Order: sequence, then structure tokens, then C-alpha cells
Amino acid sequence: EAQVTQNPRYLITVTGKKLTVTCSQNMNHEYMSWYRQDPGLGLRQIYYSMNVEVTDKGDVPEGYKVSRKEKRNFPLILESPSPNQTSLYFCASSLQWGYNEQFFGPGTRLTVL
Amino acid sequence: GQQLNQSPQSMFIQEGEDVSMNCTSSSIFNTWLWYKQDPGEGPVLLIALYKAGELTSNGRLTAQFGITRKDSFLNISASIPSDVGIYFCAGQNGNKLVFGAGTILRVKS
Repeated sequence: EAQVTQNPRYLITVTGKKLTVTCSQNMNHEYMSWYRQDPGLGLRQIYYSMNVEVTDKGDVPEGYKVSRKEKRNFPLILESPSPNQTSLYFCASSLQWGYNEQFFGPGTRLTVL
Repeated sequence: GQQLNQSPQSMFIQEGEDVSMNCTSSSIFNTWLWYKQDPGEGPVLLIALYKAGELTSNGRLTAQFGITRKDSFLNISASIPSDVGIYFCAGQNGNKLVFGAGTILRVKS
């Protein structure tokens, strides 16, 4: 089944404890992206990747890192999480940038205490 | 950064009624998209619009790309209970996709 998977789905952590949210797609997509969803703000793009080893900042990249060593994986790294990073995170992928059918993962709900 | 103003914020309608929601922006977009998010899931693309003035339908859904390229609307006709969810507009320019804040739709059966 073609899909985008994220792990974990739920995470409660404490300020400053490094964490990684994994994202994987099995559709051989070139473009991948991370968003955070907050009430009243919709989805805001954190980082995106046009292809392997090509990443760029979105609208709200501060406090996040990403890597794209393989086509299928695009992990989101929070080196030192803070409470303002408590949010619902979505990974998405599409065949290429310009193909608007972005497939979204199921989301990761992160709480930073 | 670019921002989209989506309205209304929420709607509580009777089953069978028609629904309208819209998005406006101070910036021009080359593409307008409409997504739906069901509870506990990620957004799913409903309709994509590529040309100013374009009117596109997908079943009971109809969306239009505004002539000025700064707005778009989505209509849902004869709403049913499974239409419940959050509807997002999104505008695309270059490598960036900008989302509206969403319209929460609730349907009374």
C-alpha cells in the first residue's frame, strides 16, 4: 500500500531532550516536506527536500533540523525541544515539486513539558 | 511570510444544506489547492486549480480560482454527515505551499 508513515504517533517529552520524528514513504517520491499544525494557524512548512541531499528552510525552521540521506526517509530532528514546539507534525511527499498531490502522513502529536 | 485569510473559521449546518468557504490573500498565487482533514488524519487533496478563472468540480465539490489570482472559493452542495472535518485552502508559488487556517465544518443530521 502506497503510504507515508511517521513514528512515533504520540510523544511527550521534556525541554532539552533531543528527539527525532521519522518519516518514510514507499512511493519513490522526490519531494518531501514537514509541516506543523497549530490551532488557528493552519499548517506551516518547517523544511522541505527536493531530492536526496537537497533540503531547504520553510516558513518556520527555527529549532528544527532535517536530513535526506535516502530518498524514502526524511527525519525531523529537534536538538533541544522547547514548549513552543508542542504541536501536531505532518510529513508529506509528492512525486516531484509541481505535482500537487502531496500525500500526508498520519501526524505526530508532540508535547514538550 | 505570505498569509491566507480563510473564512469562515467554523460552520455548523443542517444535512442537505450547501456550504461555501473562501480564501483571500494579499499575494498572487499560481496554484490554489483545497484539502480536507478528517479527525486524526493528515490532509487529503480535494481539488487543484491552475488557471485564473478556472472552475473545477469533484462530485459535490466545486472550487474556483479567482480572476485576480488572490482568492479562491470552495462550495459543497447537499452536505452529508461525512463532510465533517477541517477544510484547508493552500496557495502555491515556487517551492512554497502556504495554508489557510482552516474551516471547521460540522453537519447536523
